[in-house]
Amino acid sequence: AQSVTQLDSHVSVSEGTPVLLRCNYSSSYSPSLFWYVQHPNKGLQLLLKYTSAATLVKGINGFEAEFKKSETSFHLTKPSAHMSDAAEYFCVVSGSRDDKIIFGKGTRLHILP
Amino acid sequence: DTGVSQDPRHKITKRGQNVTFRCDPISEHNRLYWYRQTLGQGPEFLTYFQNEAQLEKSRLLSDRFSAERPKGSFSTLEIQRTEQGDSAMYLCASSLLAGGATLTDTQYFGPGTRLTVL
Repeated sequence: AQSVTQLDSHVSVSEGTPVLLRCNYSSSYSPSLFWYVQHPNKGLQLLLKYTSAATLVKGINGFEAEFKKSETSFHLTKPSAHMSDAAEYFCVVSGSRDDKIIFGKGTRLHILP
Repeated sequence: DTGVSQDPRHKITKRGQNVTFRCDPISEHNRLYWYRQTLGQGPEFLTYFQNEAQLEKSRLLSDRFSAERPKGSFSTLEIQRTEQGDSAMYLCASSLLAGGATLTDTQYFGPGTRLTVL
């Protein structure tokens, strides 16, 4: 069985400060993990993807995430927030054996001027 | 590559009516997925196709829901006898299966169809 938990439903940071969006997962098998972003009235866009290669994954728009098996975490970070980063972010787990795709409930990122 | 498109973008219907949504995937993609997203929640998997074969259906997909992908290209999702609880955003995604039989391939999402059942 698989599950994904996004630990914060809302995160607010000031422009120019670091961003941390937390995600923990549970999977019986070696998972693939994704982060997607959803801007208002736009489709989901893939930020980055982990599939058992390098544990530190770099994505678009300066985002990156680190896969930590011992902590079952896949937190999303960005060194310096920009106003355009304000959106909903989803952590996704996909199993390699049971073919289930599970989305987290999302974290809404607010950027303060 | 024009991306995944969905039609209509918005649909308002009365309870008990039937509705049909269309999804056009990225042209060379062989996998197509349907999700439902309600307010404040992440997308929930409904079903997916590999070419024209429907390989999996979620428990969320009641017998009022049916999806087809007759020629392995576009797909339709029909909801019969709509209920107010069906109000949601219906998302379509597509991917190219590179090899193996897993769902680890990257999915590209359309803008969604927002359904409101009055």
